Amino acid sequence: DGGITQSPKYLFRKEGQNVTLSCEQNLNHDAMYWYRQDPGQGLRLIYYSQIVNDFQKGDIAEGYSVSREKKESFPLTVTSAQKNPTAFYLCASSRSTGTYYNEQFFGPGTRLTVL
Amino acid sequence: GENVEQHPSTLSVQEGDSAVIKCTYSDSASNYFPWYKQELGKRPQLIIDIRSNVGEKKDQRIAVTLNKTAKHFSLHITETQPEDSAVYFCAPKLTGGGNKLTFGTGTQLKVEL
Repeated sequence: DGGITQSPKYLFRKEGQNVTLSCEQNLNHDAMYWYRQDPGQGLRLIYYSQIVNDFQKGDIAEGYSVSREKKESFPLTVTSAQKNPTAFYLCASSRSTGTYYNEQFFGPGTRLTVL
Repeated sequence: GENVEQHPSTLSVQEGDSAVIKCTYSDSASNYFPWYKQELGKRPQLIIDIRSNVGEKKDQRIAVTLNKTAKHFSLHITETQPEDSAVYFCAPKLTGGGNKLTFGTGTQLKVEL
């Protein structure tokens, strides 16, 4: 299970506050991803980054922001603009898009609850 | 964008029976077709994948079959065991858009004793 970590495991936030979720990987992967998981809706892509200092919006980017200043780290900020932020957030990483092998490795997730 | 549908949403089988989950997609240029398994309270993990130049792939009790003409691929689990109980996701990859996967909504498989 090692290689990609997320912290904290549980996070509580008051409405109107921004909060940042951490994701770190030591797999030397170029690509990193953030997903949101809600019951019955599978995994929906929020943002992804294929290389340091570059990232792209996924399917549900509104109300979220990311940065990719280091290869190992891809933090996600849930802003007060996100209408329904309570969810389970999963971070993943994979080898670069130029390789044949595309497996994504997931972190353990962070469960965010807005009070 | 890619439309991915997964059926059934829930599946209950008796231990030892087979289970089949089907995933349909809309992008005919998709070229990579993985299946992920997520046990309760755990992270998703890749269990098997197939590429567009192969029609079937097996790994012990699990197999994946691909029908590119019909744009669907299926997960087959034989001799099911209680530890197979989990949520299974298909996640076809677009040919463009980098290494981005589009996940289906998942199938809750329950293997009953």
